Amino acid sequence: DTEVTQTPKHLVMGMTNKKSLKCEQHMGHRAMYWYKQKAKKPPELMFVYSYEKLSINESVPSRFSPECPNSSLLNLHLHALQPEDSALYLCASRGPLQNTEAFFGQGTRLTVV
Amino acid sequence: DAKTTQPTSMDCAEGRAANLPCNHSTISGNEYVYWYRQIHSQGPQYIIHGLKNNETNEMASLIITEDRKSSTLILPHATLRDTAVYYCIVRASNFGNEKLTFGTGTRLTIIP
Repeated sequence: DTEVTQTPKHLVMGMTNKKSLKCEQHMGHRAMYWYKQKAKKPPELMFVYSYEKLSINESVPSRFSPECPNSSLLNLHLHALQPEDSALYLCASRGPLQNTEAFFGQGTRLTVV
Repeated sequence: DAKTTQPTSMDCAEGRAANLPCNHSTISGNEYVYWYRQIHSQGPQYIIHGLKNNETNEMASLIITEDRKSSTLILPHATLRDTAVYYCIVRASNFGNEKLTFGTGTRLTIIP
């Protein structure tokens, strides 16, 4: 199994809603990533978890809250988002060895109305 | 992580070899060169990576210059399905450095 599975594929939420994005992998990877991608731009790193601990937060606003409940699962909790937060949210995983490639999910297309 | 520079866009005729350059003049000794591509609205896909030797797999070849300041990704027989944005990324392999940062990439269009 070399897949990173993201759910849902599409999400529409209001600015007062609370929602969560989910990412799952069963490859034994110990680093997991959240990226945000706007149209025609490269993916922008948001968070990195290493061995289930948050190791990198790229100064992401607190309305985005990551969580890594176990080594296979990564969540991104969303609250009080703005329309400009509409984007493709990508999850990736890598490891456990250092010199390995990252596997990406197909993303969640988020629209904030 | 070292910064990379890639051309914004390139065209290549179907069936020909596509050669995508990448400059990484500030690369450090423990940093690898990775290539990913992203087909429209899909998640990025790993292609190949290397440290200092040339590498080849079923998808592509990676040629790294002797001084490691630049590299070229070669798709030997480009098809229409190779139309995508190609990203060259340099990242360290030391434990604890998990950052994987994308540059602007090259938009490759395969022409029928």
